Amino acid sequence: DVKVTQSSRYLVKRTGEKVFLECVQDMDHENMFWYRQDPGLGLRLIYFSYDVKMKEKGDIPEGYSVSREKKERFSLILESASTNQTSMYLCASSPNTGAGETQYFGPGTRLLVL
Amino acid sequence: DAKTTQPTSMDCAEGRAANLPCNHSTISGNEYVYWYRQIHSQGPQYIIHGLKNNETNEMASLIITEDRKSSTLILPHATLRDTAVYYCIVKDLYNDMRFGAGTRLTVKP
Repeated sequence: DVKVTQSSRYLVKRTGEKVFLECVQDMDHENMFWYRQDPGLGLRLIYFSYDVKMKEKGDIPEGYSVSREKKERFSLILESASTNQTSMYLCASSPNTGAGETQYFGPGTRLLVL
Repeated sequence: DAKTTQPTSMDCAEGRAANLPCNHSTISGNEYVYWYRQIHSQGPQYIIHGLKNNETNEMASLIITEDRKSSTLILPHATLRDTAVYYCIVKDLYNDMRFGAGTRLTVKP
């Protein structure tokens, strides 16, 4: 079974703090993704990576950065957290690019920025 | 722009088949139809996907019409644990999952 894990299920941070969200997958997948999910807005893609040290912006990259130093690990960084970044953050991985590849999601991290 | 249309909510009796419809009239020839579900406060769970043929796995069956403009996810014997939001997704070439609002399925005893 594919396993995608995220470092925290719940996180509370203060405005201006630097926040690290970690994601690890154990299936040697090339592609990894970070989404945020907000009520009424569905899932929105923040960043994705199709190889180590590679990254691509998604639909809403502003205020975020990412790091992929190892194939199995994809980190999302909030350089200076703001209250509008309170959200559910979801990490996913998939084996290849292309229309037919399935993404597998982690359990999510619910972040509250005060 | 929404690529799929699903009913907002549906109910199903426990033990009966749940049939969840999805319209995707603008699907292109190389796009797959994916189904995921999300139980409250958890990450989305992959269910099934298909291109043009009907598919079945241990969780569900996927019926895709011949013109590929619509599909139906079938949970053959729904249980209370199948209560979730179900998402129908048409996946583009860039591996980008576009989740809409989905269908909130409630399985009732």
